[in-house]
Amino acid sequence: AQKVTQAQTEISVVEKEDVTLDCVYETRDTTYYLFWYKQPPSGELVFLIRRNSFDEQNEISGRYSWNFQKSTSSFNFTITASQVVDSAVYFCALSGGSWGKFQFGAGTQVVVTP
Amino acid sequence: GAVVSQHPSWVICKSGTSVKIECRSLDFQATTMFWYRQFPKQSLMLMATSNEGSKATYEQGVEKDKFLINHASLTLSTLTVTSAHPEDSSFYICSASGPADTQYFGPGTRLTVL
Repeated sequence: AQKVTQAQTEISVVEKEDVTLDCVYETRDTTYYLFWYKQPPSGELVFLIRRNSFDEQNEISGRYSWNFQKSTSSFNFTITASQVVDSAVYFCALSGGSWGKFQFGAGTQVVVTP
Repeated sequence: GAVVSQHPSWVICKSGTSVKIECRSLDFQATTMFWYRQFPKQSLMLMATSNEGSKATYEQGVEKDKFLINHASLTLSTLTVTSAHPEDSSFYICSASGPADTQYFGPGTRLTVL
């Protein structure tokens, strides 16, 4: 069985602060993909990153960075210098075994205030 | 880039009626599509896997007679909520397996049953 845990229900920060979202996963698959999605109030999922299980390199994209640690089954996401537009629900997801089927975490609501 | 559309984007219906939601891959063919349901302030839960030309595969606890899925072509899957009740009110999102082994999510359909 696959499981994705996002322990943080909501994180509130003031603009320009950094915010880190935790994601811990469980899977028996040796090959799998990890994802982060942003869901603004409109509901549409916005793809942020995909990482396969064999690629443990950290990644930076603008103000976003990701830390994948297979040893601890974690795939954490950091927003640097947060902005009000970053306010949304962020989902970590796992897809392995049956490709295309996603197991989503519970989501973390990020609230950035001016 | 690859796009998945959903129609309608929102629908309000009376209890006891049936509602059909369409999921289309606009610029690629998708032999497999997935349907997810998201209740307010909750995560996305996989409902079923839709396979072109064959019966859908439902996740445990999802009533197949209530949520009818038809994947009649390589670009269209439909989800029909039969005899809808207020507890079926939810946000329904589809995804399609597209180019480069990438999953593309639709924008979602918000169903409200009165």
